[in-house]
Amino acid sequence: DAGVIQSPRHEVTEMGQEVTLRCKPISGHNSLFWYRQTMMRGLELLIYFNNNVPIDDSGMPEDRFSAKMPNASFSTLKIQPSEPRDSAVYFCASRVAGGPTGELFFGEGSRLTVL
Amino acid sequence: QKEVEQNSGPLSVPEGAIASLNCTYSDRGSQSFFWYRQYSGKSPELIMFIYSNGDKEDGRFTAQLNKASQYVSLLIRDSQPSDSATYLCAVNKGGATNKLIFGTGTLLAVQP
Repeated sequence: DAGVIQSPRHEVTEMGQEVTLRCKPISGHNSLFWYRQTMMRGLELLIYFNNNVPIDDSGMPEDRFSAKMPNASFSTLKIQPSEPRDSAVYFCASRVAGGPTGELFFGEGSRLTVL
Repeated sequence: QKEVEQNSGPLSVPEGAIASLNCTYSDRGSQSFFWYRQYSGKSPELIMFIYSNGDKEDGRFTAQLNKASQYVSLLIRDSQPSDSATYLCAVNKGGATNKLIFGTGTLLAVQP
């Protein structure tokens, strides 16, 4: 069975450009998480969805960031306009909601570099 | 205060020794606790979870939880060079939330 699929794996863009990261969760998982990882701040939770509904977006750094989940098999994280400080690895992860012990499965990440 | 705190390390241990990794958390309502391992350039992968006070063993790994002290630890027995990685502690916050918060991780280096 396929795991969490993220695209693109690598993105290099210039400051001010729009960036869209994509995620396909594992089939049957109804919780989806977006994390950002940097050396300084570690793995930060940006937003998570249960059954396609955003539950907590308190980790989204500012209005330049937005996330959507139009259906159970697809989510996007958009940064507009991008800035050099947005450079990081962005992970999407999914699991079955409802149980506190559910394993979170991560995608391979999207490494973003903003010049 | 960070919600989940870990010593960033590096923690260096010789091959065959016991590695002890520690984590504290701030929310007393937290229900379950996870240890993830992340190799350089890779995504995190689950090693163990624990939600009851006490110890939980799985092979060379033992997770320990003390809710009164808000403390979680991971012991790795007979450490191998292949165990060298960053170990992330994660906490599932209490109540109806499904929120999983990670510490910044401890880098473990097992010396051959």
